[in-house]
Amino acid sequence: SAVISQKPSRDICQRGTSLTIQCQVDSQVTMMFWYRQQPGQSLTLIATANQGSEATYESGFVIDKFPISRPNLTFSTLTVSNMSPEDSSIYLCSARGGAVTGELFFGEGSRLTVL
Amino acid sequence: GENVEQHPSTLSVQEGDSAVIKCTYSDSASNYFPWYKQELGKRPQLIIDIRSNVGEKKDQRIAVTLNKTAKHFSLHITETQPEDSAVYFCAASRAGGTSYGKLTFGQGTILTVHP
Repeated sequence: SAVISQKPSRDICQRGTSLTIQCQVDSQVTMMFWYRQQPGQSLTLIATANQGSEATYESGFVIDKFPISRPNLTFSTLTVSNMSPEDSSIYLCSARGGAVTGELFFGEGSRLTVL
Repeated sequence: GENVEQHPSTLSVQEGDSAVIKCTYSDSASNYFPWYKQELGKRPQLIIDIRSNVGEKKDQRIAVTLNKTAKHFSLHITETQPEDSAVYFCAASRAGGTSYGKLTFGQGTILTVHP
């Protein structure tokens, strides 16, 4: 399995500011994924972060709003830019646990509240 | 893209009873179907998964069945216990290549097991 750590675990942010979430995996992984879970809702994929190339965004999510970095095979960041109250969510980093089985493991999430 | 429908949204059972949660998917190319359990304030945790080359998989009190023709899969929990109380999410994806880890989640089922 993969152990995934995220920080911050939670934060309260002001409207119009930006916040960067960090994700660290305990092993090298090819792809990392960022999901969003709005309050009481399901999980939605924001983007796939590949090392050495630009992130691939899902429909409804754009790089200007959610820039992602992937400087190496164990680390990624997601920035939530120019935040509004609608961005209040839990943001989850994830990665596959192994090349053979392919299970997706999640970090503990970063709960953002935008005032 | 893929669309996953999950039912019921809430499920209440007595301890010792069985619980069944059902999901349907739309993309016939999906071939990997995991189930996640999410306790309040915690990360989603994989509890069981099934691939399209099998029709059923069991792990102690938990089983998953898959009907590829009808494009639906179900989670079965037997002898439920209060600690089974959580939100359960089904998901679907194409396991392979750039789609690996790109899960489409159902809306979630809040399972409550009463002692």
